[in-house]
Parts: sequence; structure tokens; C-alpha cells
Amino acid sequence: DVKVTQSSRYLVKRTGEKVFLECVQDMDHENMFWYRQDPGLGLRLIYFSYDVKMKEKGDIPEGYSVSREKKERFSLILESASTNQTSMYLCASWTSGDEQFFGPGTRLTVL
Amino acid sequence: AQSVTQPDIHITVSEGASLELRCNYSYGATPYLFWYVQSPGQGLQLLLKYFSGDTLVQGIKGFEAEFKRSQSSFNLRKPSVHWSDAAEYFCAVGAGYSGGGADGLTFGKGTHLIIQP
Repeated sequence: DVKVTQSSRYLVKRTGEKVFLECVQDMDHENMFWYRQDPGLGLRLIYFSYDVKMKEKGDIPEGYSVSREKKERFSLILESASTNQTSMYLCASWTSGDEQFFGPGTRLTVL
Repeated sequence: AQSVTQPDIHITVSEGASLELRCNYSYGATPYLFWYVQSPGQGLQLLLKYFSGDTLVQGIKGFEAEFKRSQSSFNLRKPSVHWSDAAEYFCAVGAGYSGGGADGLTFGKGTHLIIQP
């Protein structure tokens, strides 16, 4: 059974904190993605990576960075969390000819 | 740039009735289209996908979708809904090489499906 896992289901942080969201996939997929989901806005792409140490900006990269040191792991970093980054964050992985597989999501609240 | 429009924010359907959720896309090349479902508190699950070939696509849970290039549409249908179908439904289009989503998916804003007893 294919799996994308995310380190936390729920996270509460304070404004200005540095936040790490971790994602791991066990399917040996090349591409990994971070999306943000907000009510009424659907999912929006933050960053993606098509190889180790490679990253590409998505539609809303401002305020975020990413790290991919190993093929199976893709981290989303909020350098200085702000209240407008309170959201559901979804990680996904993909390989050519297939669908994107999503993790369960991390609901982040920034106070 | 590609875009996806789901015109209906909410839809209410009686249990046992038929369902159609609308999706229109804008994409310069042959689109790769997806429908995902998200139940409360759950991640996204793929219902079906269109890459090429037969324009009527069968998915899981009794869902189907029809790709109509002339109308830029990929509407989702089900002949008889069950209470367990209550969820958020997202249409998406894939970009990038091979079209399947190498550069990420562009999602619509979602349709919230409510099932009346």
C-alpha cells in the first residue's frame, strides 16, 4: 500500500517561530509537492521538487522554503510563522504516468 | 497558465438521487484531468483520472466522468448517491512533462456535497 506520511496531524505555533513540516513517501517517487488548503480557495501549490536538492517555486512560495536532502523526504519550512499561514498543509508525491498521492495533511495554527 | 473552475460551491442531493458536479478547465495543451474527494478530517483520495483515450472514465465508488474537449469540461457523475458520499470534491488539471502533474496540479476551489436523507 503506497504511503505518504506527514509528521504531525495538528500543530500549534506562535508568531515568529520557525516551523518545520516533514513529509515522507515510500514509493520511490521522484517528484514531491507541498500544497496549502484553505476554505473556499481549494489547494494551492507552494513548492515542489523533482530531485534531491532541487526545488521549484509554485504559485504561492512567499514566506516558505523547502528542503530535500533525501529522495523520500521533503520538508516545508516557515522561517518566521505568521497568523496568515494558519492553514492545512498537504504533501504529495508523483511519478511519471501516475496520479499524485497525498498525505493526510497537517493542520497548522499560528497564534 | 492553467485554471480550473468548479461553479458550484455547495450542492445538496437527496440520498438515492443522481449527481453531477461540474468542472471547467483552461489549459493550452491536452489536459490531464483528475477528480479527488476529501471526506471530513481525511486526506485527498483519487476518484478517477483522464489521460487519453475513451472520454468516459470510470472511477471508484461508482463515479464516472466525461471529458468534453469542445466544452473544456470534465463533469463528475454518479447515478445514485449514498450518505457516505457527503464530502468535498476537487477537480484538478495536471501540468508539466507527461502532463500527469510533474509541475504540480492546479485545483478548483471545490464543491461541498451535502446528502439529504
